[in-house]
Amino acid sequence: NAGVMQNPRHLVRRRGQEARLRCSPMKGHSHVYWYRQLPEEGLKFMVYLQKENIIDESGMPKERFSAEFPKEGPSILRIQQVVRGDSAAYFCASSPRQVGMNTEAFFGQGTRLTVV
Amino acid sequence: SQQGEEDPQALSIQEGENATMNCSYKTSINNLQWYRQNSGRGLVHLILIRSNEREKHSGRLRVTLDTSKKSSSLLITASRAADTASYFCATDAGGAQKLVFGQGTRLTINP
Repeated sequence: NAGVMQNPRHLVRRRGQEARLRCSPMKGHSHVYWYRQLPEEGLKFMVYLQKENIIDESGMPKERFSAEFPKEGPSILRIQQVVRGDSAAYFCASSPRQVGMNTEAFFGQGTRLTVV
Repeated sequence: SQQGEEDPQALSIQEGENATMNCSYKTSINNLQWYRQNSGRGLVHLILIRSNEREKHSGRLRVTLDTSKKSSSLLITASRAADTASYFCATDAGGAQKLVFGQGTRLTINP
């Protein structure tokens, strides 16, 4: 059972381009979470999705950022018209149930986005 | 705002010593979890403690939870160089359906 797979591991984009980050959750996991981490800082929650539905997007900027988790295929975090401030590590996690039901989350290795 | 706040922010000890990290949180919780992150890598789950539990052990790890003080501690006994990493506490923030992380403690074990 492969772990959470994120790709690409590293992504370089010029200002104004689009960034697409992909996350394949662990088999059997229908709950996906996206986090952003700046160097030497903790993880900041962005969005929580459960198959085809956005449950909580309170941490995601309303402009330029969007996320989806289709019925088939990986979850996608999309950042349009990237700016230098978007440079960060973006982590995806998955779980078989809601974390409030005493369930751990499994993390991917992250995508490091650099905007030049 | 972050739910969990770890203390200290950084800790450096000698191999073989015990390391203690603390975490405080603000709202009611169903569970509190500790994760480890090696430099440049993803987070690895260490231990989950439920709100009705006071102490939990896993190998060299010991976690305590005091819901009256809204605080938790992680003790790593007989530390090893391989324990060098950042350690984060996370809570479900009272059933918020997501994990909310603190800023982490950077632990360095000196050989």
